[in-house]
Amino acid sequence: NAGVTQTPKFQVLKTGQSMTLQCAQDMNHNSMYWYRQDPGMGLRLIYYSASEGTTDKGEVPNGYNVSRLNKREFSLRLESAAPSQTSVYFCASRTGGVGTQYFGPGTRLLVL
Amino acid sequence: GIQVEQSPPDLILQEGANSTLRCNFSDSVNNLQWFHQNPWGQLINLFYIPSGTKQNGRLSATTVATERYSLLYISSSQTTDSGVYFCAVALTNFGNEKLTFGTGTRLTIIP
Repeated sequence: NAGVTQTPKFQVLKTGQSMTLQCAQDMNHNSMYWYRQDPGMGLRLIYYSASEGTTDKGEVPNGYNVSRLNKREFSLRLESAAPSQTSVYFCASRTGGVGTQYFGPGTRLLVL
Repeated sequence: GIQVEQSPPDLILQEGANSTLRCNFSDSVNNLQWFHQNPWGQLINLFYIPSGTKQNGRLSATTVATERYSLLYISSSQTTDSGVYFCAVALTNFGNEKLTFGTGTRLTIIP
């Protein structure tokens, strides 16, 4: 039982390049989330998916798109990366109703 | 949206000391979690505690939902307790939940 996994662990992009961050969970959770963490700050919600087939915007969605591929996988895409998107990205999942969110190890993204 | 304030922002203690971290929030919530982010950046779940008191070893937490605050207690601190402690809250409606994080308390334990 790996919990929440994220790939890649680290990525360097040039301004304007695109990339997709992958997230998968093996806990049969309904809800999945993408957050970003900037230096010295708490995490901020980018997008979330309350269930398979649904997605919704969080606090800071601009410049990102998401896909809930199936119940296990939730990807985050940067179409045209900008230096302001340099951050650590965390994926999380949660079972339905109320309960604990479980976080992946994070992806460190540097945009030059 | 919900505002979350954590105090103190920084705390430096000798190994063996006890500490209390506070989280104030601005609205009713039905999810409150405490996390420890270790020096390698990993987020570790400590407690899911929307109300009441829980204990896990040297750590315990209390949330008084009616007064909109939560406290995290760390007793007999060890150097491995160093890192940033985050409180996060949410009001969950129909399965939709948006956790709002505080800016954290950075704890440094000196040997």
